[in-house]
Order: sequence, then C-alpha cells, then structure tokens
Amino acid sequence: EVQLVESGGGLVQPGGSLRLSCAASGFTFSSYWMHWVRQAPGKGLVWVSRINSDGSSTSYADSVKGRFTISRDNAKNTLYLQMNSLRAEDTAVYYCAREFHYYDSSYYYYYMDVWGKGTTVTVSS
Amino acid sequence: DIQMTQSPSSLSASVGDRVTITCRASQSISSYLNWYQQKPGKAPKLLIYAASSLQSGVPSRFSGSGSGTDFTLTISSLQPEDFATYYCQQSYSTPHFGQGTRLEIK
Repeated sequence: EVQLVESGGGLVQPGGSLRLSCAASGFTFSSYWMHWVRQAPGKGLVWVSRINSDGSSTSYADSVKGRFTISRDNAKNTLYLQMNSLRAEDTAVYYCAREFHYYDSSYYYYYMDVWGKGTTVTVSS
Repeated sequence: DIQMTQSPSSLSASVGDRVTITCRASQSISSYLNWYQQKPGKAPKLLIYAASSLQSGVPSRFSGSGSGTDFTLTISSLQPEDFATYYCQQSYSTPHFGQGTRLEIK
C-alpha cells in the first residue's frame, strides 16, 4: 500500500525549532518529487515547500523562506522539514504529499496524488 | 505569483443536485489546474488533474473543464459523501491553492 506518515509535530514556543518527518512506503520514494503543504486551523491549504527526487533542488513559499529547510534521505525513504524561528502563524497541520508528473506534448504536468494524514504544529507560549 | 480565486466560498445543495464550482487564475495557466476534495479532519484527495482528467478511482459524476484563466468543477448528481470542501490548485508554476469552496447539505 502506498503510504505517507508524518511525525514530529507538537507544541513549541515562538522562536523555537521543530523537525517534521514523513516516512514513505509502498512506492519507490527516490523517484518522486515531494511537497509540504500546511493548513492553519479553520483555513485553507497553503503550499510550503518542494524538493526534487535526489534532493538537489528545492523551493519555498515566501512566508517560510530562510526559516524552513526541506530535505530527504532516499536511503531511509524519509522526507524532512526543518522549521526554525517559528511564529504563531506557523501553527497548522502539516501534510507531506507526493508529486506525480508527466509530459504531454512537451508540456510538464504535475499534481499531488498521495497525501499523508498530517501532523499538528502549535506555536504558542 | 499566480493567485487562484474560487467561487462561491460556500454552497448549499441537496442530494441529487448538479453543482458547479468555479476557479479563476490571475493569469493564463493553460490547463495546469488540479482539483482536490477535503473532508473534515482528513487529508486532501486528488479528483481532477490537468483541468479535465479524472483521477483513477474517482466517480464519473465529477468532471472538470476550462483553460486559460477560468475553470469549473462539476458534480453531476450530488451524493451524501460529496459534502466536503473543494480546492483548486494551479500547477503552472509554484503551487498555489484557491481559498476553497465549502459544499454543505441544504
């Protein structure tokens, strides 16, 4: 069964750090780009970060750039999100998601086809 | 950044109704548009990709259309399990989601 399982969430004080993990199983993790997406309480989905299959290329939302770092360990089938200088507005459920992409007449299409159940991060004093 | 705007923000409908949700991009995104369904306390689920392609396992009552800046998600005959929040997401560049459309039972 294709599965993503997040862990590492919890309560942290403003200015603190936390590292989220996302364990992948049931597919060849090293072949897929991966994303982190978050959802604040009662709010919509917000994309956070993306990493390519070998970890050599990353991108971030402006709201987390310089504070969050996405990485992966393909030998351990695990995706990470290191979160530093946390703020109250980072409070959210954090989902990891697999990206599926393909080419159609030289056009590059992608979508997030597998999602984890999420891990909750609360930033509060 | 390309912004995505959904309408309506919420919608009340009855089982058996035909429902349409609209998503508008701030600039042309060709057909780089995906739709997701999310139920309370659950992860999002992919419904439609590339504007009109139905994800495997998704019921055929769901359909998507549009290109450029204007897109629609249509549910042809609402079922009880379809009451949820729906999000569009552009895949033309860095991902951005619409604000969501909450579909409630009338």
